[in-house]
Amino acid sequence: GAVVSQHPSWVICKSGTSVKIECRSLDFQATTMFWYRQFPKQSLMLMATSNEGSKATYEQGVEKDKFLINHASLTLSTLTVTSAHPEDSSFYICSATKSVIETQYFGPGTRLLVL
Amino acid sequence: GQQVMQIPQYQHVQEGEDFTTYCNSSTTLSNIQWYKQRPGGHPVFLIQLVKSGEVKKQKRLTFQFGEAKKNSSLHITATQTTDVGTYFCAGPAGGTSYGKLTFGQGTILTVHP
Repeated sequence: GAVVSQHPSWVICKSGTSVKIECRSLDFQATTMFWYRQFPKQSLMLMATSNEGSKATYEQGVEKDKFLINHASLTLSTLTVTSAHPEDSSFYICSATKSVIETQYFGPGTRLLVL
Repeated sequence: GQQVMQIPQYQHVQEGEDFTTYCNSSTTLSNIQWYKQRPGGHPVFLIQLVKSGEVKKQKRLTFQFGEAKKNSSLHITATQTTDVGTYFCAGPAGGTSYGKLTFGQGTILTVHP
């Protein structure tokens, strides 16, 4: 159990367009989902914490109007990168947890390339 | 804020050699978790340590949690090429962080056959 899917796995888009990434917990209900960003050979940088039915909590320095997060249900969270620019190109990974003391289960990630 | 430091950043070993990565937190942790990320992949949960001084083994991997619950280590005996990847430790961010984890920088392990 504890499988998390992410869609799409990769996306190439033009500068100025918006990209939506979905994160789903397939076999459990996730109390909380997290969105990370990872640059090559670097660690995971937490962008925001998402709870179902409430507004996401963004980390310092992350623009909430640029990275829109919607947590519609206990199994689905979406991240929308609005007006994407080349510097937004990165590996975006979501994770989900069953409770605050549980480990995090990661999705396979989405590679975004903005041209 | 809380910091989790991991060393070394890179480790190159010959297949069959041992490998150790160390993790140190600036604050006491309620638990510590270890993840492995293969090249091109996503982090995969390995283990969680909760008790002071705890030692857990998974085949050739040995995980330790320090007595003060501020440091941890992962030791791999007789590395194999399948051990290649980045190993991250992570600890709860604390306070009212509701499940947030603070990740170390990771140790990138390469194994030469």
